[in-house]
Amino acid sequence: QQQVKQSPQSLIVQKGGISIINCAYENTAFDYFPWYQQFPGKGPALLIAIRPDVSEKKEGRFTISFNKSAKQFSLHIMDSQPGDSATYFCAATSYDKVIFGPGTSLSVIP
Amino acid sequence: EAQVTQNPRYLITVTGKKLTVTCSQNMNHEYMSWYRQDPGLGLRQIYYSMNVEVTDKGDVPEGYKVSRKEKRNFPLILESPSPNQTSLYFCASSQRGPAPNTEAFFGQGTRLTVV
Repeated sequence: QQQVKQSPQSLIVQKGGISIINCAYENTAFDYFPWYQQFPGKGPALLIAIRPDVSEKKEGRFTISFNKSAKQFSLHIMDSQPGDSATYFCAATSYDKVIFGPGTSLSVIP
Repeated sequence: EAQVTQNPRYLITVTGKKLTVTCSQNMNHEYMSWYRQDPGLGLRQIYYSMNVEVTDKGDVPEGYKVSRKEKRNFPLILESPSPNQTSLYFCASSQRGPAPNTEAFFGQGTRLTVV
C-alpha cells in the first residue's frame, strides 16, 4: 500500500523558534506534495505545496524543502507563533489519489 | 461564499442503522472525495469522484457507498454502520483531480459515533 511517513508525531516549539516537520514517500509516481494545516474543529486547509522538479519553495514564514532522490520533503516554519499551533499533514498526490501522512501536532508556546 | 457543506456535523447512531452524510459544494468543482480521520492515522481516502457518474475506491472503501448524480453533491452512505466506523469524516472538492497547483477545499467535518 502506498504510504507517506511523517515525523514527529508531536512538536513543541518556543515562540520565535523554527518548527521542522519531515515526510517521506515511497511511490515515485507522486507528482505533487501539498501541506495542509488543520485547526481544532475545522477541516484541513492548504498551506503550501511543491512539485518534484523544484527543490525549495518559500511562502512567507513557510518553506518546503524537497529531496527527490531521497524521496523526502520537509516543512520549515520560521519565527513560529502561537497562532501556528495546529495539526500539519503532508500529502502526496498522483493523477486521482491523495495520500496523507499521519499528521504532526504543533504547539508553539510563548 | 465558496464552501463545502457537510451535514450533519455530529451523529450518534446504533450498529446496523443505515445513514447518509451529505456533502455539497458550490464551486462547480469536478473532483470530490471523502476521507476519514483517525488519531495516528491521518486522513485516509474512502471514495473519490472525478466527475458526475464517475466514482472510484480510495484506500479504505469497505463498508461505505457513494453516488455522484449531480456535480455539486457527493453523499456518503453507510448501509450497516459498525463501531469501527466511528470516526471524523471530511468531504473535499477541487477544480480538477489532485493535480499540481490544484487546491482541495474541505468541509467542516462530521463526527460519527456508532454504538
